Amino acid sequence: DGGITQSPKYLFRKEGQNVTLSCEQNLNHDAMYWYRQDPGQGLRLIYYSQIVNDFQKGDIAEGYSVSREKKESFPLTVTSAQKNPTAFYLCASRPTGNRPYEQYFGPGTRLTVT
Amino acid sequence: EDKVVQSPLSLVVHEGDTVTLNCSYEVTNFRSLLWYKQEKKAPTFLFMLTSSGIEKKSGRLSSILDKKELFSILNITATQTGDSAIYLCAVEGWGAQKLVFGQGTRLTINP
Repeated sequence: DGGITQSPKYLFRKEGQNVTLSCEQNLNHDAMYWYRQDPGQGLRLIYYSQIVNDFQKGDIAEGYSVSREKKESFPLTVTSAQKNPTAFYLCASRPTGNRPYEQYFGPGTRLTVT
Repeated sequence: EDKVVQSPLSLVVHEGDTVTLNCSYEVTNFRSLLWYKQEKKAPTFLFMLTSSGIEKKSGRLSSILDKKELFSILNITATQTGDSAIYLCAVEGWGAQKLVFGQGTRLTINP
């Protein structure tokens, strides 16, 4: 089955620890995205990547880092510099090309930092 | 800066009612507007509206795009409890390579 997987589903960490969220897709999509969702808010873009070994900051990149070493994988690291890391994190992917495409979303990871 | 505003933020209706959700936007070089439904976790795609397709319909759901007035509406007729969800609107400009999302509308359908 083709799709996007995110792991783990729930993650608990102590303040001051870095944590890495996994995102893998087997849809052969070039572009991948990381969003953060807080209660009562829409999706805010953290980082995105159009191609392997290249990525751009989104609107709220501070305190986060990413890598794109493989087309299928786009892990997100939440560093201790992120002041309010507790949130729901969604990964998405889509093809690139001359026409607009919808994004496909993974099931998300709920991160709780205490 | 590209921007999307959805209204209302929250809506509670009875089963069988018709609802209209609003999405207004500002975007440089409009390319597309998308609607998603988010029940528990992953948003699922509903519609994409572009300059060449300003009206879409699927069952009880329909959407139109007004490129002149810069807004879109999502209509749901004969609502069911399964329509309860957060509905997200997003836009993309040509060359932007990313979507800008609104805050979402939380729709609750009571039996």
